[in-house]
Amino acid sequence: GQQVMQIPQYQHVQEGEDFTTYCNSSTTLSNIQWYKQRPGGHPVFLIQLVKSGEVKKQKRLTFQFGEAKKNSSLHITATQTTDVGTYFCALSNQGGKLIFGQGTELSVKP
Amino acid sequence: KAGVTQTPRYLIKTRGQQVTLSCSPISGHRSVSWYQQTPGQGLQFLFEYFSETQRNKGNFPGRFSGRQFSNSRSEMNVSTLELGDSALYLCASTQRMSSYNEQFFGPGTRLTVL
Repeated sequence: GQQVMQIPQYQHVQEGEDFTTYCNSSTTLSNIQWYKQRPGGHPVFLIQLVKSGEVKKQKRLTFQFGEAKKNSSLHITATQTTDVGTYFCALSNQGGKLIFGQGTELSVKP
Repeated sequence: KAGVTQTPRYLIKTRGQQVTLSCSPISGHRSVSWYQQTPGQGLQFLFEYFSETQRNKGNFPGRFSGRQFSNSRSEMNVSTLELGDSALYLCASTQRMSSYNEQFFGPGTRLTVL
């Protein structure tokens, strides 16, 4: 079945530094979703990308979908301690089924 | 609107027992999906129910089962518990529109098998 590979697994940054996580697939994706899970919490939907080359911004977060629709990235500019958590990409497949990447755990040192 | 609720929040069982977890979706959402989250395997899809019918199933043994009621509430059952079943079980609801499937997750049930 389809899989999405996510890197890096962990990222430790100083507050104010940028952060990027990447999601890759060997097959063309119909769409990609991004979720954030705070420590001790549950995944919370951030965004869905559908179009080739799509770029969406949410304040300091920038989401990209590759031209070939085989990769996606999430970039956070000037991280803050509130950005701490694990970021997951997920392929939305067949309605209510999500195939998650392994996640990137972000820690931010004040 | 109230969010997705799951009960119980925490559960401790012993090997061989069975357990039933409950999920109430957001009002108006007819699709409920279940996921297992462990440190080693990450977030893995268990199954999805829509209008009381199982629509998708992940790669889990038959000990894992579920059902959905006419009010969209869902339950999952795990029989003959094993130590490896210790995990956070999350349910998520969605309106299941064809092109947009934002899922809303509940807080999860933390199951510990001793």
